[in-house]
Amino acid sequence: DAGVTQSPTHLIKTRGQQVTLRCSPKSGHDTVSWYQQALGQGPQFIFQYYEEEERQRGNFPDRFSGHQFPNYSSELNVNALLLGDSALYLCASSTTEDYGYTFGSGTRLTVV
Amino acid sequence: EDQVTQSPEALRLQEGESSSLNCSYTVSGLRGLFWYRQDPGKGPEFLFTLYSAGEEKEKERLKATLTKKESFLHITAPKPEDSATYLCAVQCLISGSARQLTFGSGTQLTVLP
Repeated sequence: DAGVTQSPTHLIKTRGQQVTLRCSPKSGHDTVSWYQQALGQGPQFIFQYYEEEERQRGNFPDRFSGHQFPNYSSELNVNALLLGDSALYLCASSTTEDYGYTFGSGTRLTVV
Repeated sequence: EDQVTQSPEALRLQEGESSSLNCSYTVSGLRGLFWYRQDPGKGPEFLFTLYSAGEEKEKERLKATLTKKESFLHITAPKPEDSATYLCAVQCLISGSARQLTFGSGTQLTVLP
């Protein structure tokens, strides 16, 4: 049973560019959340998608946007990249009945 | 605003030397408190969920406990493979919430052979 799959694993981008990160949830899960984890910090909630809509957003600017597809997979898009966007981006999936989350291994984004 | 504080930030133990990690939290109604283990460059791996004060859960050398203000992760006779960052997170009871997790900054545990 595959867990949460994220791609790519590593990415280097230049300031001002745009990036798209992808996530396939664990089989049977219908809810996808995205988290940003800076070095030495705990993950911070970006937003959550359920039924192809953004259900809740954390304290992140509109440069961060997302999408959920009918097969429950999801994308995170970041526009106008800043150096401070360099972080590990984690995708977590769950079900509406389950309180817990399964995390993927993340995408390491470096902005230069 | 939900807050989670973990201590110590870093902990070095000799193999077999038992200890505890602390997670203090402030939340407007606790739905659950979660412990995760994270290895370098990897995503958090689920360990435990605790729902009410007095609850305890165990897994191998790890035992998690919960009070109304804090949680402890007790590590008994640790081994080098227990070296990792341990993250604590809370989930609140706000109606309509996406049940987001609010994480602490973690405790980096190193177990020396």
